[in-house]
Amino acid sequence: AQSVTQPDIHITVSEGASLELRCNYSYGATPYLFWYVQSPGQGLQLLLKYFSGDTLVQGIKGFEAEFKRSQSSFNLRKPSVHWSDAAEYFCAVGLSYNTDKLIFGTGTRLQVFP
Amino acid sequence: DSGVTQTPKHLITATGQRVTLRCSPRSGDLSVYWYQQSLDQGLQFLIQYYNGEERAKGNILERFSAQQFPDLHSELNLSSLELGDSALYFCASSPTTGGNTIYFGEGSWLTVV
Repeated sequence: AQSVTQPDIHITVSEGASLELRCNYSYGATPYLFWYVQSPGQGLQLLLKYFSGDTLVQGIKGFEAEFKRSQSSFNLRKPSVHWSDAAEYFCAVGLSYNTDKLIFGTGTRLQVFP
Repeated sequence: DSGVTQTPKHLITATGQRVTLRCSPRSGDLSVYWYQQSLDQGLQFLIQYYNGEERAKGNILERFSAQQFPDLHSELNLSSLELGDSALYFCASSPTTGGNTIYFGEGSWLTVV
């Protein structure tokens, strides 16, 4: 069965520090991969996505992610975190063939200290 | 603003009652998805409709049902509500089905008391 694992439930970083959020997936074929962010009381906003091609994808707000097939990973990175990045981050895998439904990980809550 | 509109934003109701959540997809999108987000279950896919027809089904309880109307808006009906149904219900939409990005609304907060 398809699944997504986000091993870090909660991460705390200082403002200006670099960030890496981990995501591993289980899926038989090459998946479509997504990162969404949810600010408190808000909906889910798409940060970036990987469908095919270049394995390093750029997203909004200075985020990037790298697809590594050999490790079944799609980690999210940002070189310098801002206080406004504090939110919950969800990795998701899309089952691409006849539906766009997503399987989500459990999320990583990011806290940023000044 | 994703372009997906959900109403109501907040709803408080009693156990045993029935509620209807409404979703208007982005202009031109034919697929609508419903998700439930709760503290213990996380983000769970409930059901997808594509151009009026059910396309995919997830962990949707028998007490819950959905439909998509000819104007492509969708409704999620929740009946015989229990305390455990308290959650944030998201609607999302995509242009077709397969190979697309889906865009989420801001959700409907349901509290069952």
